[in-house]
Amino acid sequence: IAGITQAPTSQILAAGRRMTLRCTQDMRHNAMYWYRQDLGLGLRLIHYSNTAGTTGKGEVPDGYSVSRANTDDFPLTLASAVPSQTSVYFCASNEGVNSPLHFGNGTRLTVT
Amino acid sequence: GQNIDQPTEMTATEGAIVQINCTYQTSGFNGLFWYQQHAGEAPTFLSYNVLDGLEEKGRFSSFLSRSKGYSYLLLKELQMKDSASYLCAVRDRSAGNKLTFGGGTRVLVKP
Repeated sequence: IAGITQAPTSQILAAGRRMTLRCTQDMRHNAMYWYRQDLGLGLRLIHYSNTAGTTGKGEVPDGYSVSRANTDDFPLTLASAVPSQTSVYFCASNEGVNSPLHFGNGTRLTVT
Repeated sequence: GQNIDQPTEMTATEGAIVQINCTYQTSGFNGLFWYQQHAGEAPTFLSYNVLDGLEEKGRFSSFLSRSKGYSYLLLKELQMKDSASYLCAVRDRSAGNKLTFGGGTRVLVKP
């Protein structure tokens, strides 16, 4: 079934540890995004990539990095996790500017 | 920047109609999306408006007034499975056409 796969589904991480959240899509979408979702704050954009080889900063990029080596994969890395990064992380993709986002099932991350 | 407001929570009865309002302020409006999100799941696309007027899709309709910075999502013939959060999201040219989401409206459908 075509779509976006995120891994892991959930993770408990000690503060200070490095963590990479994986995201793979098989729809050949050019654009991919990482959002975090926190209660009362909605979905906030962390980083995005309009096409393979390019990335950009979203609304809340600090403490996160991304790479886009190919069309399908868009990993999100927390270099040194902090408790404020406890959240649900959603990866998304779309075909173009006016097309809807397709979301992965999310990664629930708890930083202790 | 952008400011997107929608009510936090609404309650309605099965079979009834509920209207979820969304107001926004942007400098380069380029489309508004509505998503549905069930608890613990990913958001799924419901509707898209870029021109003024009403878009109808079965039991769900979405309305846009660009001059008023206003949209609503109308859910008719409510079913228990419609209990979910509904997210309003605005695309803004001045923000590189990225989507900015409101905080979401949680709708609880009661029997």
